[in-house]
Amino acid sequence: SAVISQKPSRDICQRGTSLTIQCQVDSQVTMMFWYRQQPGQSLTLIATANQGSEATYESGFVIDKFPISRPNLTFSTLTVSNLSPEDSSIYLCSVDRPAIGAANYGYTFGSGTRLTVV
Amino acid sequence: AQSVTQPDIHITVSEGASLELRCNYSYGATPYLFWYVQSPGQGLQLLLKYFSGDTLVQGIKGFEAEFKRSQSSFNLRKPSVHWSDAAEYFCAVLTGGGNKLTFGTGTQLKVEL
Repeated sequence: SAVISQKPSRDICQRGTSLTIQCQVDSQVTMMFWYRQQPGQSLTLIATANQGSEATYESGFVIDKFPISRPNLTFSTLTVSNLSPEDSSIYLCSVDRPAIGAANYGYTFGSGTRLTVV
Repeated sequence: AQSVTQPDIHITVSEGASLELRCNYSYGATPYLFWYVQSPGQGLQLLLKYFSGDTLVQGIKGFEAEFKRSQSSFNLRKPSVHWSDAAEYFCAVLTGGGNKLTFGTGTQLKVEL
């Protein structure tokens, strides 16, 4: 399966600022996914990032608040903008399958970024 | 709408005892089902997945799960729990045309020594 490196692992940010989270995969993948896990909650999909096209956002998430880049098949960033305490969560990236081949990884996750907004 | 239900928010078992974590799904087509484990402050680790074929699926760390279509269930089991199994466990179903994981609310497992 793919190995995902996610940075930073944690950060404390002031309200009104932004945080950019990086997700690097050790192989080329078709789609990358960004999830949010609010304290004590389950995971919710924010958006799907495809290389060469705009990210697809889930209901309740907008590009202005969560801009995403996907410059190539192994890398993506999620920015959480105009931070408020309600954005304090764990953010995780995930991948499903390689760009070439039919094998499905079973949705591998990065180790997550724990964001605290003060 | 597709959904996943994990009825047990917290479960406590003694070390060495058997474990079963429940998961029920609501999905019109044949589901793709997953179990993940999350240790405190960590990301998610895939324990096992079911796509098709044998309904009894073996995973890592001695876990297994059985897909029962008639009961819309995909329960996770382990015959003998170790203290290191204490963590949160999430069941998930692949939805949205095969691109979106929908997660249950999770079950927090506590292991008593």
